Amino acid sequence: QQQVKQSPQSLIVQKGGISIINCAYENTAFDYFPWYQQFPGKGPALLIAIRPDVSEKKEGRFTISFNKSAKQFSLHIMDSQPGDSATYFCAALNSGGSNYKLTFGKGTLLTVNP
Amino acid sequence: KAGVTQTPRYLIKTRGQQVTLSCSPISGHRSVSWYQQTPGQGLQFLFEYFSETQRNKGNFPGRFSGRQFSNSRSEMNVSTLELGDSALYLCASSLRESGEQFFGPGTRLTVL
Repeated sequence: QQQVKQSPQSLIVQKGGISIINCAYENTAFDYFPWYQQFPGKGPALLIAIRPDVSEKKEGRFTISFNKSAKQFSLHIMDSQPGDSATYFCAALNSGGSNYKLTFGKGTLLTVNP
Repeated sequence: KAGVTQTPRYLIKTRGQQVTLSCSPISGHRSVSWYQQTPGQGLQFLFEYFSETQRNKGNFPGRFSGRQFSNSRSEMNVSTLELGDSALYLCASSLRESGEQFFGPGTRLTVL
């Protein structure tokens, strides 16, 4: 059972464009939703995260939009740059429970063309 | 503040051998989680240790085990290695109450 579904699998964007990656979850006990960025040969780096009590969080060019009723959240990368080319993972966590583990989406390979 | 460190970075083993991987969390973090990353299965949770106790375990066979020391450093062990154990093994440290998990660079294990 895939508890976090991520789309698209891959995405090609022109420099300066907007990259949008979507995720949907099933478990309503999740209360923390991070996005990770991973470059080849590196571990995932925490990019930005949101809790369900807010609908949007922005940090620089990165914005998370969260829709609790639809159980969906998305990452928007504004003014995408070639340096943003990486694999992005959404994840979900029940931070207060005994089942403290990140459940990841399958990842999106983002390519930003110069 | 130093980040999460993992040693070794690369390992090559043969089937049937065992391996031990090490993780040093961020100073002050008492929760250490381990994940396996493969192209086919993605990122999968192995187990979590907090205050030297295993708090949570993923759906992996008993060949995968771990422990945590009083200084929060953690080790994971895989016995009787199989070809399918080839993967990037990632360690993440956390304050637990914040939910934020910070990953190390991983150990790339190749089983021949």
